[in-house]
Amino acid sequence: QVQLQESGPGLVKPSQTLSLSCNVSGGSITSGDYYWNWIRHHRGKGLEWIGNIYHSGPTDYNPSLKSRVTISLDMSKNQFSLKLTSVTAADTAVYYCARAIAPLRGIFYFDYWGQGTPVTVSS
Amino acid sequence: DIQMTQSPSTLSASVGDRVTITCRASQHIGGWLAWYQQRPGKAPKLLIYKTSSLENGVSTRFSGSGSGTEFTLTISSLQPDDFATYFCQQSGSFGQGTRVEIK
Repeated sequence: QVQLQESGPGLVKPSQTLSLSCNVSGGSITSGDYYWNWIRHHRGKGLEWIGNIYHSGPTDYNPSLKSRVTISLDMSKNQFSLKLTSVTAADTAVYYCARAIAPLRGIFYFDYWGQGTPVTVSS
Repeated sequence: DIQMTQSPSTLSASVGDRVTITCRASQHIGGWLAWYQQRPGKAPKLLIYKTSSLENGVSTRFSGSGSGTEFTLTISSLQPDDFATYFCQQSGSFGQGTRVEIK
């Protein structure tokens, strides 16, 4: 059974960089045809896809966040990470990591999710 | 960008009721629509993928249908565990969610 667990600071100051990690257990992030994703949920709003990374390295980002986002893999730790720069209060949300199956190019859905980690942007 | 619009935003129902949630896409998306259930404080759970395929281990009370731009999730007989929020998703776009609450 694959399990994902997010970790990182729960409080980030405005203009700083939000950094989160997702530890994957029960399977290797380099095996299978999966994409590794970050998604966030603003209180009272819907889910927002942030971006993903394939095990061989290619990334894909939400155009609305692309200029501030970097997703990377750490194969030695079986983890992947999110960095979001120049954060504001609008980036306050619960952040989820998730595994996606991609049956066709550009098409994906999420079969395993982490429990989510709340991040608040405030001075 | 594809916009996904769910209706209703809130649905009040009783145990045993049949409920239907609709998701409309701003453009044709073929059959690649997924549905998720999220209980408070928990991660979303995949219920349905590719419009109507039931994820392993998910109750057959849940079913999905649709094509083109209009899709539905149906719960045939609402159970206490089913009171939750449901989201549709097509790749990088999510619906805003439908909260199913106890009448």
